[in-house]
Amino acid sequence: NAGVTQTPKFQVLKTGQSMTLQCAQDMNHEYMSWYRQDPGMGLRLIHYSVGAGITDQGEVPNGYNVSRSTTEDFPLRLLSAAPSQTSVYFCASSSVRSPPYEQYFGPGTRLTVT
Amino acid sequence: AQSVSQHNHHVILSEAASLELGCNYSYGGTVNLFWYVQYPGQHLQLLLKYFSGDPLVKGIKGFEAEFIKSKFSFNLRKPSVQWSDTAEYFCAVNSGGGADGLTFGKGTHLIIQP
Repeated sequence: NAGVTQTPKFQVLKTGQSMTLQCAQDMNHEYMSWYRQDPGMGLRLIHYSVGAGITDQGEVPNGYNVSRSTTEDFPLRLLSAAPSQTSVYFCASSSVRSPPYEQYFGPGTRLTVT
Repeated sequence: AQSVSQHNHHVILSEAASLELGCNYSYGGTVNLFWYVQYPGQHLQLLLKYFSGDPLVKGIKGFEAEFIKSKFSFNLRKPSVQWSDTAEYFCAVNSGGGADGLTFGKGTHLIIQP
C-alpha cells in the first residue's frame, strides 16, 4: 500500500497562476481532506469530502476548489494564486466506518507564490 | 465550534529529561483524541490515539497520554526524552463523527539538546 500520495512535492507559482495539487489514496477511505500548515497556526482544514461527489468547506476554503469524482482521488485547485496561499499543503484520508477515525497524511506539497 | 489549545509553543529540554505537553479541548460531547508528530521535513505521523476505554494510552516510541474528561485534557508524556524526539507535536480532536475531520492545536516545537 502506498497510503496517501501527493504531487508535486514543491511548486513555485507567480501571482495569478492556477494549478492543481494532486492527492490519491489506496486504502478505500471514504473521507478525504486538505489542510494547510503555516508557522504558529497548526493545520487548518480547507475542504473535505465524505465520498465521491460530496465535498464541503472547512475552516479556510477561500481561493480553493475541490472535486471528488472517485474514491481514490481528491485534487485541490488554486484558480488564481495569491502570496497568502504560500504554505505547506497536506492531504489526509480516513475511514468513517468506526471510531476513532484516525487520519492518514500524505507527505505534503510546499507551495510558494511570488 | 470546537477548539484545541496547546499551552507550550516552544519547549527546550536536555536528553533524559521528562516531558509533558499540555492539550485542552473545548468540545463537551464524545471526542476522539490524537497526538501527531512531525519530524523535520517530514509529514505527520500518529503517536497515539484515544476514543474509549482506559484513559491512559500508550503510543509509539515510549510516549503516553492521559485523557482526563473532567479537565477536557489530553496531555502527552514521556519519562525520558532523546535527541531524536526533536520535532513538532500536534494535539488534535475529532468530535466523535467520522465525517467531522480533525481540529488541530497550533503545535509545540520541541527541541532536545544532547
